[in-house]
Amino acid sequence: EVQLVESGGGLIQPGGSLRLSCAASGFTVSNNYMSWVRQAPGKGLEWVSVIYSGGRTYYADSVKGRFTISRDNSKNTLYLQMNSLRAEDTAVYYCARVSLTTNWYFDLWGRGTLVTVSS
Amino acid sequence: DIQMTQSPSTLSASVGDTVTITCRASQSISTWLAWYQQKPGKAPNLLIYKASSLESGVPSRFSGSGSGTEFTLTISSLQPDDSATYYCQQYNSYSTFGGGTKVEIK
Repeated sequence: EVQLVESGGGLIQPGGSLRLSCAASGFTVSNNYMSWVRQAPGKGLEWVSVIYSGGRTYYADSVKGRFTISRDNSKNTLYLQMNSLRAEDTAVYYCARVSLTTNWYFDLWGRGTLVTVSS
Repeated sequence: DIQMTQSPSTLSASVGDTVTITCRASQSISTWLAWYQQKPGKAPNLLIYKASSLESGVPSRFSGSGSGTEFTLTISSLQPDDSATYYCQQYNSYSTFGGGTKVEIK
């Protein structure tokens, strides 16, 4: 079955760090563009980051310099390292597969993992 | 940055109605636009890409149109299962989502 399963969310204090994981099955992460999208409680969707199959990465201005997207090809897993976390980073974080055309729309989503930044 | 504005923010309609949601971009995005449906507690689900292309498996009562800066999502013959929030997304330059439109069934 083709699916994405996120993990690693939780409660973290402001200024702390957290690493999210997204395990893929049914397809190869390294052959696809992969992305993270987040949704603050009761709010809309916000694109966070993308990693190309060739390894190039891009970030939203709101997380640039604090978040790092990466992948482990041997584990077929996508990651999001989040440092210097702020209250406004509180959200459900979804990993998503960019369409096979490489146009940046998302044809497969995980269920999401909740990150709460609070003291 | 490209801003995406959706209207209305909420709409209420009856089963069988035709509803239209509008999405406006702050600058031209050609047809690099997608639409998603999200139900409470669930991940978004792709409905339309490239403004008017229907994703495989999506009912044909969903359709999209537009180009440049103005786009519409139309749901024909509204069904109870269509109660959800709908988001547009531009992917002409990085990616930006609209604020969402909540569709309620009367």
